[in-house]
Amino acid sequence: GAGVSQSPSNKVTEKGKDVELRCDPISGHTALYWYRQSLGQGLEFLIYFQGNSAPDKSGLPSDRFSAERTGGSVSTLTIQRTQQEDSAVYLCASSLVPRGDTEAFFGQGTRLTVV
Amino acid sequence: AQSVTQLGSHVSVSEGALVLLRCNYSSSVPPYLFWYVQYPNQGLQLLLKYTTGATLVKGINGFEAEFKKSETSFHLTKPSAHMSDAAEYFCAVRRDSGNTGKLIFGQGTTLQVKP
Repeated sequence: GAGVSQSPSNKVTEKGKDVELRCDPISGHTALYWYRQSLGQGLEFLIYFQGNSAPDKSGLPSDRFSAERTGGSVSTLTIQRTQQEDSAVYLCASSLVPRGDTEAFFGQGTRLTVV
Repeated sequence: AQSVTQLGSHVSVSEGALVLLRCNYSSSVPPYLFWYVQYPNQGLQLLLKYTTGATLVKGINGFEAEFKKSETSFHLTKPSAHMSDAAEYFCAVRRDSGNTGKLIFGQGTTLQVKP
């Protein structure tokens, strides 16, 4: 696609429910990243994929958070038993390669509200 | 460990005035440095980046930044602010460490432009 696409753009869920957030990276980009943007916490790194593998999961805040990537393309971030503190904007980014000097392209984000 | 500090969470300037957004980084090796802009309800868009070479980097929309190794700074400037520059700006550092290429962000600076 022309850019990084995320869906849904907005999600309201009840506390305790599971949610899935989807990211379609730019075609051919091998590196994919998930970030979380919340008030007071800024932009936090969650997880990095190279192909279908996740060599860096260091930013996942708890075991309720998981992510997978299939076909070296689409990624899904799953949050189980959502809590109010999970409310945030979840941003996905992709890069052609995971090299420091390359640009990361961001999607529009998914705004998650847990009520 | 890498970190990024943006001085001033809010900056207000008059239209036509100089814009100066400050960013200092901490890194044990010369990093790759980025400035991103985020307009309301949108993802992050790259303004400019420093990788190697010329330390004065020009970006989109008339912005530029200068990498000063001695000061560990990468401040963003624009000679004359426009109303459309009102947005949130993020400074970020990226390295090849571990070949993840993940971005470490500052807390962000909200730029207000007054008529």
